[in-house]
Amino acid sequence: DAGVTQSPTHLIKTRGQQVTLRCSPKSGHDTVSWYQQALGQGPQFIFQYYEEEERQRGNFPDRFSGHQFPNYSSELNVNALLLGDSALYLCASRSGTGSREQYFGPGTRLTVT
Amino acid sequence: GNSVTQMEGPVTLSEEAFLTINCTYTATGYPSLFWYVQYPGEGLQLLLKATKADDKGSNKGFEATYRKETTSFHLEKGSVQVSDSAVYFCAPGFQKLVFGTGTRLLVSP
Repeated sequence: DAGVTQSPTHLIKTRGQQVTLRCSPKSGHDTVSWYQQALGQGPQFIFQYYEEEERQRGNFPDRFSGHQFPNYSSELNVNALLLGDSALYLCASRSGTGSREQYFGPGTRLTVT
Repeated sequence: GNSVTQMEGPVTLSEEAFLTINCTYTATGYPSLFWYVQYPGEGLQLLLKATKADDKGSNKGFEATYRKETTSFHLEKGSVQVSDSAVYFCAPGFQKLVFGTGTRLLVSP
């Protein structure tokens, strides 16, 4: 049973560029959340997708956007990258109707130079 | 919104010592409570959970009890191992999880 998978593992971008990160949820899960974890900090909630719609959003600017596909996989897009966007981006999945447990993927390490 | 306070790290222990990592939270309603562990260079792994008052979550020798009256969810283990060295996060939440800065545990042989 595959867990949550994310791609790519690492990414280096330049300020002002755009980036897309991808996530496939754990089998049987239909709800995907994205978190940003800066170095030495705890993860911060970005947004959550369920039934292909954004259901909740944390305190992140509109430069952060997402999408969920019919197969429940998800993308996180960040436009106009800033140096401060350098972080580990974590995807978590859960069942929308079942347990409240969220399972995390290994993350994508984004470095903005 | 929810918030969480964890004890500052690092917590440094010798192998087989007793571990306590304190966690208190503020929340509207009665959130589920979780402990996650993060090993270097990895994502977060769910360690244990509790969904209602007085529930005790346990896994791999770790335990934590949902204390509604003190809004706490302290993590304990009777005998730590070197392999337990990691960062531990307490997280209350419903749809979204709220994390503190985590507590780094260092266990020496």
